Amino acid sequence: HVQLQESGPGLVRPSQTLAVTCTVSGGSINTASYYWNWIRQPAGKGLEWMGRMYGSGTINYSPSLKSRLSIEVDTSKNQLSLRLRSVTAADTAMYYCARVDSNLDAFDIWGQGTMVTVSS
Amino acid sequence: DIQMTQSPSSVSASVGDKVTITCRASQDISSWLAWYQQKPGEAPKLLISVASNLQIGVPSRFSGSGSETDFTLTINSLQPEDFARYYCQQGISFPFTFGPGTNVDMK
Repeated sequence: HVQLQESGPGLVRPSQTLAVTCTVSGGSINTASYYWNWIRQPAGKGLEWMGRMYGSGTINYSPSLKSRLSIEVDTSKNQLSLRLRSVTAADTAMYYCARVDSNLDAFDIWGQGTMVTVSS
Repeated sequence: DIQMTQSPSSVSASVGDKVTITCRASQDISSWLAWYQQKPGEAPKLLISVASNLQIGVPSRFSGSGSETDFTLTINSLQPEDFARYYCQQGISFPFTFGPGTNVDMK
């Protein structure tokens, strides 16, 4: 069965770039019926959808993050990656990757998340 | 953006109780509504998709209903493992948005 595993730096300095990777196992990231998403959650707060990638590289970004966010896929490694530029303390959060099955149109599989703290 | 609201923000209940959580969208989202359960230290878990479709493996005491702007998650006969936070989420338009969550805790 498909599993998602995020990995990240743990700590990022303000104004730097946050980079997180999601490795997909048990299935191919290059499957037409699946969409691969990034979602974050500050401690004790709610969930924020950041963006998604699907198909041959179509990407949709949340408008609030679009100017700072890049999502990429490496099909040879079965990995999805996120890069968030010019980070501030407000970007401190648990970062999750999650799959959408187009038949369900909901986030049906989640990674366990990776915590990233922005601090000097 | 479509705003999602939930009520109540918190509910205290006992094992065996029936719990109802309401989710409201700021505009018509048809049936593109999902419900998730999140326990402390864990990722959210999908319970219901497309307003009322129970995910495989989710107990039948969970049910969802509604359409357009008003939706409900019902937990019949609350079990100890159901004490958690519940979120609704719209999937009809970008950016996908979540409700603020409802805490179900022990009375």
